Amino acid sequence: DAKTTQPPSMDCAEGRAANLPCNHSTISGNEYVYWYRQIHSQGPQYIIHGLKNNETNEMASLIITEDRKSSTLILPHATLRDTAVYYCIVAPTYNNNDMRFGAGTRLTVKP
Amino acid sequence: KAGVTQTPRYLIKTRGQQVTLSCSPISGHRSVSWYQQTPGQGLQFLFEYFSETQRNKGNFPGRFSGRQFSNSRSEMNVSTLELGDSALYLCASSLEPGTNEQYFGPGTRLTVT
Repeated sequence: DAKTTQPPSMDCAEGRAANLPCNHSTISGNEYVYWYRQIHSQGPQYIIHGLKNNETNEMASLIITEDRKSSTLILPHATLRDTAVYYCIVAPTYNNNDMRFGAGTRLTVKP
Repeated sequence: KAGVTQTPRYLIKTRGQQVTLSCSPISGHRSVSWYQQTPGQGLQFLFEYFSETQRNKGNFPGRFSGRQFSNSRSEMNVSTLELGDSALYLCASSLEPGTNEQYFGPGTRLTVT
C-alpha cells in the first residue's frame, strides 16, 4: 500500500499556481518525498524530491512541513500541458521496492 | 541526450505464450528498473538491475524475469502469459542504484487475449 494520501482530483486555471497536497503521516526519518507526474499514455516523469527542506527547480517547488507529515507541490504558473496525474511517493533512496505509487491526484488545468 | 527507449511499444499475445520486452536506458545510466501499470493495481515495482545483477525484486511470480547486459540494456520476460498480465510495462533508468530519481520510458502496452 502507498504510504501517502492525495486528493483524487483537482482543477486549476491556466496561468495560476497549482498547489497539490500530500499527507505522509507515517514517514520515517530516512525517507524522502518524491513527486512524479504521468501525462496520458506516457511514462511517469520525475519532478522533484526533498528530505526536510523546501526545494525548487525549474519545474516546481516542494514545501515540506516542519514535522514532515505533509507536503505541497507547487506548479507556479500552470499550463494546459501540466494536465496529468501527480504522484507523491515517500521512499528511502536505497530501495526501489519502496517506490509505491498510489492513485495520485489527477490535475486538470483549464483555460 | 536520448531518453529511455522501449521496444516494442505495443504487443498482442495469446494466453500461454511468452514475451520479451526490451529497454535501453539513458546513456551513462547503469541502473534499470521495471514496473507494471494496470488500472486496478496502479504502478507496481517488478525488479531492478545494476551491473548485470538483479538488485531488488517486487512481489511478482517467477513467471516474470529479467536480465541486464553489459551495456546496461535490459530485457524482461514473462512466460506462460495470463490474461491478467495485460498491462503497460514501464522501464526506468537512473545513474546509480538506490536513487529514486528515475527516468521512465514510454512503456510497452501488452495485451493478452
